[in-house]
Amino acid sequence: AQSVTQPDIHITVSEGASLELRCNYSYGATPYLFWYVQSPGQGLQLLLKYFSGDTLVQGIKGFEAEFKRSQSSFNLRKPSVHWSDAAEYFCAVGASGGATNKLIFGTGTLLAVQP
Amino acid sequence: DSGVTQTPKHLITATGQRVTLRCSPRSGDLSVYWYQQSLDQGLQFLIQYYNGEERAKGNILERFSAQQFPDLHSELNLSSLELGDSALYFCASSVGTGFREQYFGPGTRLTVT
Repeated sequence: AQSVTQPDIHITVSEGASLELRCNYSYGATPYLFWYVQSPGQGLQLLLKYFSGDTLVQGIKGFEAEFKRSQSSFNLRKPSVHWSDAAEYFCAVGASGGATNKLIFGTGTLLAVQP
Repeated sequence: DSGVTQTPKHLITATGQRVTLRCSPRSGDLSVYWYQQSLDQGLQFLIQYYNGEERAKGNILERFSAQQFPDLHSELNLSSLELGDSALYFCASSVGTGFREQYFGPGTRLTVT
């Protein structure tokens, strides 16, 4: 069965420091991979996606992610974190099978940014 | 702003009641998805509609139902509500039937007292 694991429930980084959020997936075929961000009281905003091609994908707000098939990973990175990046981050895999194209989400990583 | 709208933003109701959540997809999107976000279950897929027809069901209770209307807006009906149904309910939309990114609405926060 398809699944997504985000091993870090909570991460705190200092403003200006680099960030890496981990995501591992389990999926039989080539996955469609996504990172979403949820600010408090807000909906989910798409940061970036990987469908095929270049394994390093660029997203909005200065984020990037790298797809590593050998490690079944899709880690999210940002070179310099801003206080406004404090939010919850969700990794998701697109499970395309049968009639549906649903998203399977990880449990999320809550990012706190220290001044 | 994703272009997906959901109403109401907040809903407080009592156990045993029935509520209807509404979603309007982005212009041009034919697929609508409903997800539930709760503390104990996380983000879970409930149901998908494409151009008015049900495409797939996920972890949706029998007390819940949905439909998509000819103008493509969708409604999620929750009945015989229980305390455990308190959650954030998100609607998302995407283009077509092939896999594309899904854009999420702001959600409806349901509180059952």
